[in-house]
Amino acid sequence: RKEVEQDPGPFNVPEGATVAFNCTYSNSASQSFFWYRQDCRKEPKLLMSVYSSGNEDGRFTAQLNRASQYISLLIRDSKLSDSATYLCVVNSGYSTLTFGKGTMLLVSP
Amino acid sequence: SAVISQKPSRDICQRGTSLTIQCQVDSQVTMMFWYRQQPGQSLTLIATANQGSEATYESGFVIDKFPISRPNLTFSTLTVSNMSPEDSSIYLCSVTSRDRGIHEQYFGPGTRLTVT
Repeated sequence: RKEVEQDPGPFNVPEGATVAFNCTYSNSASQSFFWYRQDCRKEPKLLMSVYSSGNEDGRFTAQLNRASQYISLLIRDSKLSDSATYLCVVNSGYSTLTFGKGTMLLVSP
Repeated sequence: SAVISQKPSRDICQRGTSLTIQCQVDSQVTMMFWYRQQPGQSLTLIATANQGSEATYESGFVIDKFPISRPNLTFSTLTVSNMSPEDSSIYLCSVTSRDRGIHEQYFGPGTRLTVT
């Protein structure tokens, strides 16, 4: 089983749609969880950290289920500018980040 | 978050040569890291750059191939030695920032390396 698994996509959605990305991780000792966004030929940028209680930032909502070792990201009211690859990232220690392969999102007019 | 710059932004190098990539941060940071992102792949950690001591390498990466320096808390270099086409990749520097008790990592813009 891969350490961090994501559906590679691509997800093709129209503007205004709601889209959800799922991610599972294998290391039950993982401590911190993140979603990063990576635009084509750019570096990953931190989108949001994922807290145990779940958290929301504008149109973005992240959820964590430790029992199922599952993380999700929900994007509401998709914009064209949301088109990117979304990386699920898990921190299993002080410095060790493990990246999923990413899910590509394409938002069309 | 810290502002991170890398030089060069891209390079095309010949097989057998070496390239040194620089990473500069605008503030002192405790942890600096070097990652590689091969075409179509996600990021893989190469090593943690330790200030004043030898870097800590991940499995599959060795100091002879990827020597790293970290002379102070704002600067690090990664050298890709004796390059082969398989080393063609994006190399990214990252640093951690502790926010709300969580160590979040931020990335430099990357160095796009092509080995011919």
